[in-house]
Amino acid sequence: NAGVMQNPRHLVRRRGQEARLRCSPMKGHSHVYWYRQLPEEGLKFMVYLQKENIIDESGMPKERFSAEFPKEGPSILRIQQVVRGDSAAYFCASSQGINQPQHFGDGTRLSIL
Amino acid sequence: QQQVKQSPQSLIVQKGGISIINCAYENTAFDYFPWYQQFPGKGPALLIAIRPDVSEKKEGRFTISFNKSAKQFSLHIMDSQPGDSATYFCAASARPRGAGNNRKLIWGLGTSLAVNP
Repeated sequence: NAGVMQNPRHLVRRRGQEARLRCSPMKGHSHVYWYRQLPEEGLKFMVYLQKENIIDESGMPKERFSAEFPKEGPSILRIQQVVRGDSAAYFCASSQGINQPQHFGDGTRLSIL
Repeated sequence: QQQVKQSPQSLIVQKGGISIINCAYENTAFDYFPWYQQFPGKGPALLIAIRPDVSEKKEGRFTISFNKSAKQFSLHIMDSQPGDSATYFCAASARPRGAGNNRKLIWGLGTSLAVNP
C-alpha cells in the first residue's frame, strides 16, 4: 500500500537553476494538490490538478512556477530560475475525489544556495 | 490575514494529561475541518476530521469539538503519551462551487506539542 511518493526528498540548487519536484499520488487517486511550507508556518496552497488539467493555480506565483499532471507519470512542480526565497518544504497531497480526504507525501525540502 | 487562527503555538503536557488545541475561523463557507499531525521530516498525516453537522467526533484518544455559532473547533488528546509529541495543524476547506473550485486546505500555523514522560 504505497502512499504518496515524493522525490527527491532533499534538493539543493544554486540561484538561477531549475528545480523539478515529483509526486506520485496514491493508487487510484486522480486529484493532486501542491502546498508549500515555510519554517514554523502552516502549509500554503499552491495548485490543484486533475489528470492532464490544472484546475486551480491561484496559490502559485505567476512567474517561474509551473505544474503538470500528465496522463502517464507523476505530477511535476517546476521552479525556474530559483531564488533564495524559494527555499521551503514542498508537499504533495492526493485524494480519490474532490470531497475525499487528502493524503500527504513526506515532501521535498528545497534549499537554494 | 490568517483565515484559520490556531492556539497555542506550543504546549507542554505531562504524560497521561489532556492536550487541548484550539482553532477559530471566519469564513462561513468552510464545511470541512481536519486535524493533521506532523513529525519532523515527515508530511502531515490526517488524524481526524469533522463537518459542521455534528458538534463532536471521537476516534480513540482524539476528539474534535465543534462550535458552529462561535466558529471554533478544538482537538483534545486524552491520556497524552510521549509518542504524541509532534506538531498539530488544524485546517479548513469550503465546498467547491463552480469550475476551478476545489477542496484546497487553509491551514493554521501549527501547535508544537511536547508530552513529558
